[in-house]
Amino acid sequence: QVQLVESGGGVVLPGRSLRLSCAASGFAFGSHGMHWVRQAPGKGLEWVAVISYEGSYEYYADSVKGRFSISRDNSKNTLHLQMNSLRPEDTAVYLCAKDRGSKWYGGLDYWGQGTLVTVSS
Amino acid sequence: EIVVTQSPASLSVSPGERATLYCRTSQSVGFNNLAWYQQKRGLPPRLLIYGASTRATGIPARFSGSGSGTEFTLTISNVQFEDFALYHCQQYDMRPPITFGQGTRLEI
Repeated sequence: QVQLVESGGGVVLPGRSLRLSCAASGFAFGSHGMHWVRQAPGKGLEWVAVISYEGSYEYYADSVKGRFSISRDNSKNTLHLQMNSLRPEDTAVYLCAKDRGSKWYGGLDYWGQGTLVTVSS
Repeated sequence: EIVVTQSPASLSVSPGERATLYCRTSQSVGFNNLAWYQQKRGLPPRLLIYGASTRATGIPARFSGSGSGTEFTLTISNVQFEDFALYHCQQYDMRPPITFGQGTRLEI
């Protein structure tokens, strides 16, 4: 069965960096677009970034553009999110999600449980 | 950026009734690239509908999606106890960024 397991969250000071990972299994990882979505406590979902199946295309929400970087290693079935210059408003549960298609226009059919990132001094 | 607006923010129905949730986008969404998700407390979202009207694998037939352009609807007929949750609408137009609505909470 499809599994997505995030790791790398924690408490970090404003301005510092953090790298999240998502280990995927149970499907052809290298054939699907992958996303990061975040959810602040008690709030709705906010899409963060997407990477196409082979890594050629990356897109970001305006709120993280220039600070976050999405990447993938298809040989290791792993998705990453490098987060730099973190701000308190980045505090959220970060979830990785699989796209039904090879890019970003399929809908997100599987999700991980998420990893909590807290940015606080 | 396409702004997604869901209404109402919360909706109260009784089990067995019909619930209708609305999603409006600020621009027309190409190919009806719109999805609906259900989220229960403490769990990740679950894909219900994609392409505005296609049920995802394993989703009961009481969930139906409709609409096109900028106006979309999720209808839950014969609401069951397990359907009380938070519902999200998402547009995934060919031109990112992708955006979610603020959610509609379905309450008993």
